[in-house]
Amino acid sequence: DAKTTQPNSMESNEEEPVHLPCNHSTISGTDYIHWYRQLPSQGPEYVIHGLTSNVNNRMASLAIAEDRKSSTLILHRATLRDAAVYYCILRDSNAGGTSYGKLTFGQGTILTVHP
Amino acid sequence: ETGVTQSPTHLIKTRGQQVTLRCSSQSGHNTVSWYQQALGQGPQFIFQYYREEENGRGNFPPRFSGLQFPNYSSELNVNALELDDSALYLCASSLFPRTGPTYEQYFGPGTRLTVT
Repeated sequence: DAKTTQPNSMESNEEEPVHLPCNHSTISGTDYIHWYRQLPSQGPEYVIHGLTSNVNNRMASLAIAEDRKSSTLILHRATLRDAAVYYCILRDSNAGGTSYGKLTFGQGTILTVHP
Repeated sequence: ETGVTQSPTHLIKTRGQQVTLRCSSQSGHNTVSWYQQALGQGPQFIFQYYREEENGRGNFPPRFSGLQFPNYSSELNVNALELDDSALYLCASSLFPRTGPTYEQYFGPGTRLTVT
């Protein structure tokens, strides 16, 4: 599986934007970039995913570098509820069968949001 | 639509014992995956079940086994418990083949297992 690198931790103030970086220099052409987050005492939850173009949804935005070797998850206005561990994960769009249900998590970035 | 549920929430076992953890998948999902999350680490893939058969496994020994039932509920069984098995065990459900490019997984809250 292609590897991702994220900072161990980041801090933000409430209602300010947060940019969470992820490096994935060995990404392949068929890898989608997925983000999950894990709130305290909960299982991970899907946030957003993308392939080449920037993506927006109700939770966040995903900015993907032109060479796809890095990406940034953007929380436009951080709230206290956004304090979580954020994971950047690569998923092969051709994954099927035995790899379908497999997510390869790294250490993630611990996001602290200050009031 | 109900989410993924797991039971029990917490469990304490003694080294050498056996344990069974349970998961109820999200309605309509046919694939379940199990993960082990040690303290301070990201979840590690144990295995996945599709149509009641294991069809993918991570780097875990055979004493980790599972079952998936026709109603898409599932169990994780761990035999001969070791101290290092202490962790949060997560199950996740999804629908295969995916109906779109998203194919996200939906996780339960996990079962915290402590082995003493």
